[in-house]
Amino acid sequence: AQKVTQAQTEISVVEKEDVTLDCVYETRDTTYYLFWYKQPPSGELVFLIRRNSFDEQNEISGRYSWNFQKSTSSFNFTITASQVVDSAVYFCALSEVGTGNQFYFGTGTSLTVIP
Amino acid sequence: DAGVIQSPRHEVTEMGQEVTLRCKPISGHNSLFWYRQTMMRGLELLIYFNNNVPIDDSGMPEDRFSAKMPNASFSTLKIQPSEPRDSAVYFCASGQLSGYTFGSGTRLTVV
Repeated sequence: AQKVTQAQTEISVVEKEDVTLDCVYETRDTTYYLFWYKQPPSGELVFLIRRNSFDEQNEISGRYSWNFQKSTSSFNFTITASQVVDSAVYFCALSEVGTGNQFYFGTGTSLTVIP
Repeated sequence: DAGVIQSPRHEVTEMGQEVTLRCKPISGHNSLFWYRQTMMRGLELLIYFNNNVPIDDSGMPEDRFSAKMPNASFSTLKIQPSEPRDSAVYFCASGQLSGYTFGSGTRLTVV
């Protein structure tokens, strides 16, 4: 079973639009971490954010914001006023204490921002 | 901090040859992961180590693949013999539960 599900395979938006990338996770652990990574066309994997399971406070970093809801096992990522440079594949990931720090990736969402 | 260092960045080899990919994790990180990324299969976890000990190698595709971590500062992923279907980008990542950093990857092409 998929531990991390990113149902949106590809998304296209026009520059300056807001876009939300969905992430749903599955775990039985009470202690876990959730992550978002960005993979631009250059190929590297860039860390964006980490949240632990005890902190449901939403976070905002510039145009980026994250909505963590344990009740729905979701950790969604919103880009406000998207820019062409935001075009990339975005991966959501889960790390569980109970599986010895095993690190599970979603299948990624490819975001294209059209100028 | 130089980050996770992988070498080589690019490797082109002929089918049947042995290929060794190298990774130097960030000092102090106790977990190390090897991933493979292809267009068809996305990011696949091959193996991961905790404190230099292999914890889960169920993602290693075949006996042709082997990975070692002789010490906390070095890991290798070896493919012997290599096949064209092994062509992919191989990422190494190190970290702890609270965060993981990826290397730049090794792009392997087997012809």
